Amino acid sequence: GDSVTQMEGPVTLSEEAFLTINCTYTATGYPSLFWYVQYPGEGLQLLLKATKADDKGSNKGFEATYRKETTSFHLEKGSVQVSDSAVYFCALLGGNEKLTFGTGTRLTIIP
Amino acid sequence: DSGVTQTPKHLITATGQRVTLRCSPRSGDLSVYWYQQSLDQGLQFLIQYYNGEERAKGNILERFSAQQFPDLHSELNLSSLELGDSALYFCASSVGGGHFSGNTIYFGEGSWLTVV
Repeated sequence: GDSVTQMEGPVTLSEEAFLTINCTYTATGYPSLFWYVQYPGEGLQLLLKATKADDKGSNKGFEATYRKETTSFHLEKGSVQVSDSAVYFCALLGGNEKLTFGTGTRLTIIP
Repeated sequence: DSGVTQTPKHLITATGQRVTLRCSPRSGDLSVYWYQQSLDQGLQFLIQYYNGEERAKGNILERFSAQQFPDLHSELNLSSLELGDSALYFCASSVGGGHFSGNTIYFGEGSWLTVV
């Protein structure tokens, strides 16, 4: 079945550091890929998405590229801020019509 | 604001009781999904409805049931509650019924259930 493997956290970075959170997936066919973010005490918010190979999703300075050859969708940001502290979830939507999530990566940015 | 509305936001109840969680999808969305987020299990898909009919089933216990009404709102019923049912329950909605290139699933803020 579909699965998502996400970089284990927690991740702690200094402000303005470069961020990468790794995500790889297993799915049949051509899934859509997503990153969701959960800020402390809040629900899940869609951060970005990509629906086909080589697509790049971007939002709020975050980017992720759908790499079919490596089955990956790594999240990157060039310069993180304290306000980016949250839990980040990689997810895929496949042919079984349900969103499959990774385990989440807790990110803490220190000033 | 995703446009998905969930009530109640917080709920505390005793073991053995029954509760109902309510969800209003985004305007125009026909699909509703329910997810459970707990510390030990992560985000688990429970069930999906599309235009009033059950579309997909995940790790939903027999003590739990859901339905989607003609006005497209959905309810998740949790009965014979146990301590382990304490979790954050998310509702989500999307335009379509599953995987197609334009489909995106939007989540509500969740309902916190504490069973004591």
